[in-house]
Amino acid sequence: AQSVSQHNHHVILSEAASLELGCNYSYGGTVNLFWYVQYPGQHLQLLLKYFSGDPLVKGIKGFEAEFIKSKFSFNLRKPSVQWSDTAEYFCAVNPRHQAGTALIFGKGTTLSVSS
Amino acid sequence: DTGVSQDPRHKITKRGQNVTFRCDPISEHNRLYWYRQTLGQGPEFLTYFQNEAQLEKSRLLSDRFSAERPKGSFSTLEIQRTEQGDSAMYLCASSLPTGTGRATNEKLFFGSGTQLSVL
Repeated sequence: AQSVSQHNHHVILSEAASLELGCNYSYGGTVNLFWYVQYPGQHLQLLLKYFSGDPLVKGIKGFEAEFIKSKFSFNLRKPSVQWSDTAEYFCAVNPRHQAGTALIFGKGTTLSVSS
Repeated sequence: DTGVSQDPRHKITKRGQNVTFRCDPISEHNRLYWYRQTLGQGPEFLTYFQNEAQLEKSRLLSDRFSAERPKGSFSTLEIQRTEQGDSAMYLCASSLPTGTGRATNEKLFFGSGTQLSVL
């Protein structure tokens, strides 16, 4: 079965520190890849997505992610975090072998940024 | 605001009672998904609809769970004879995929969820 692994359960950083959150998936075929963010008390929001083309994708609020096919990875990065980035981050995969396959989420990484 | 509305926001019920949740997707979206999320976990897929047809159900969806989308617009998720293990956040999402087959691209928009507490 397909699965998504997020290596870090809880990350604590100071403002201006650099961020990298790991995400690996297990699926041998073509995939769409996503990072969703959930700010405290809010709904899940799409941060960025990869469908095809340039493996380095840029999202909102200065986030970016790099798809490395050989490593089955889609790590999320931000050069300098802010207190407002405190949230839960979810990596998700949508296998593209057929239409309508449901999005599979990782367990999430909680990011706490101290000012 | 994503445009996906869920009602109610919170539901507290006693074990054994039936509950029903409603989801109103973004109006032009033809796909509607139900997910469940518990503390410390990512959303887990339950079921999804394309228009009014229920196309996929997870093994997580026991026979006490039923979902409908009668006119291809709003959807309801009913849980019969609730158990304490059903306590979770129930999320609805909608999408309008582009492309077909291997070229399908899809972006899900989530609602705020319904928090169910079974006492």
